[in-house]
Amino acid sequence: DIQMTQSPSSLSASVGDRVTITCRASQGISNYLAWVQQKPGKAPKSLIYAASSLQSGVPSKFSGSGSGADFTLTITSLQPEDFATYYCQQYDSYPWTFGQGTKVEVK
Amino acid sequence: EVHLLESGGGLVQPGGSLRLSCAASGFTFSSYAMTWVRQAPGKGLEWVSGISGSGGGTYYADSVKGRFTITRDNSKSTLYLQMNSLRAEDTAIYYCAKLSSTGGWYTYFVYWGQGTLVTVSS
Repeated sequence: DIQMTQSPSSLSASVGDRVTITCRASQGISNYLAWVQQKPGKAPKSLIYAASSLQSGVPSKFSGSGSGADFTLTITSLQPEDFATYYCQQYDSYPWTFGQGTKVEVK
Repeated sequence: EVHLLESGGGLVQPGGSLRLSCAASGFTFSSYAMTWVRQAPGKGLEWVSGISGSGGGTYYADSVKGRFTITRDNSKSTLYLQMNSLRAEDTAIYYCAKLSSTGGWYTYFVYWGQGTLVTVSS
């Protein structure tokens, strides 16, 4: 199985900050990488697919990059609604696997 | 507008069975692969199972293989997850999700339902 490792596990940031989350796969997955946002008590929401493509309706403040085994999610100008947990997920091969999540908290 | 509504969750004893349903609307159900993802209390997301649009391709996590069965009824626009031999570690919120294409490979999450809670306890 492909292991997905995110860093950091949590981070504290202020409104207006730019934050970057890293995701590393245990083997190359080309660009078959998605990012998912989950707010407390809510269902997940898909943000990015194919490592860098935004889902419909997702604001351009979110951006993704990377290929192979190393990926990043960047959020610019952090707003109150962006404080959530973010997961990376590979869909290169079954079983699909998620990273452990990165919780973005208010500083 | 895409809408996914899960149902069928509840309290079940270890060793018992439960069938989850996910009623879909707002899109041509048979044209899209679907999947189940779960989240244990206070934990992260875990992919459980997926099925192609035709139902001909099914995929499972090792943790549920041989105990869970994913099916779909395209005439009813409904996805199912039959869960047998349930264990305490299966306790979780179960989400269904619509994928981006009909096949099961290189397809990604697009829309998620609100989830249904399954509790396995005596």
